Amino acid sequence: NAGVTQTPKFQVLKTGQSMTLQCAQDMNHNSMYWYRQDPGMGLRLIYYSASEGTTDKGEVPNGYNVSRLNKREFSLRLESAAPSQTSVYFCASSEFWGLGNGYTFGSGTRLTVV
Amino acid sequence: KQEVTQIPAALSVPEGENLVLNCSFTDSAIYNLQWFRQDPGKGLTSLLLIQSSQREQTSGRLNASLDKSSGRSTLYIAASQPGDSATYLCAVRPGGTGTASKLTFGTGTRLQVTL
Repeated sequence: NAGVTQTPKFQVLKTGQSMTLQCAQDMNHNSMYWYRQDPGMGLRLIYYSASEGTTDKGEVPNGYNVSRLNKREFSLRLESAAPSQTSVYFCASSEFWGLGNGYTFGSGTRLTVV
Repeated sequence: KQEVTQIPAALSVPEGENLVLNCSFTDSAIYNLQWFRQDPGKGLTSLLLIQSSQREQTSGRLNASLDKSSGRSTLYIAASQPGDSATYLCAVRPGGTGTASKLTFGTGTRLQVTL
């Protein structure tokens, strides 16, 4: 099925460990995004990539890095995990900057940092 | 700064009832508005997308309307079913491109349809 695929679905990390969240889309979208969702805070944009070869910070980028590996793949890296990064992470993609048919979201990665 | 509000925050209705979810936004200069559904512990599923030039969109038992000038959108669900129980989110995309065109999400309405 066409869409956005995220791996892993669940992860538990110890404080200070690192990990990379993977995201791939097969809709030939130009733009990709990483959000986090926390109770009472809604969805907040961490980083985005308007097109292949570009990345930029969103609302809450501290503690994260991203790589737009190619047009299909956009990864999110936590270099030194902290309990404040316990959250549900969603990857999304769209035509250039959300023009056209809106956004498509992945099923999420539930991350717990202990 | 765009602000998106959804009322009510939670709603419980008996099966079969027709219902309306509301979404209001402060800046009417939008490109489109998208309604999503989120089941507990799951991702966001797109339900309907309304472009700024449109007044409404329909998909099955769902109908979304848009009144840009008043900063309002409604999601109408006909003949509700227990399977409709979920959180419904609206998201607004401003006009233009670049960082100013990022989505702004509403706070969501948690819907429960009871037997």
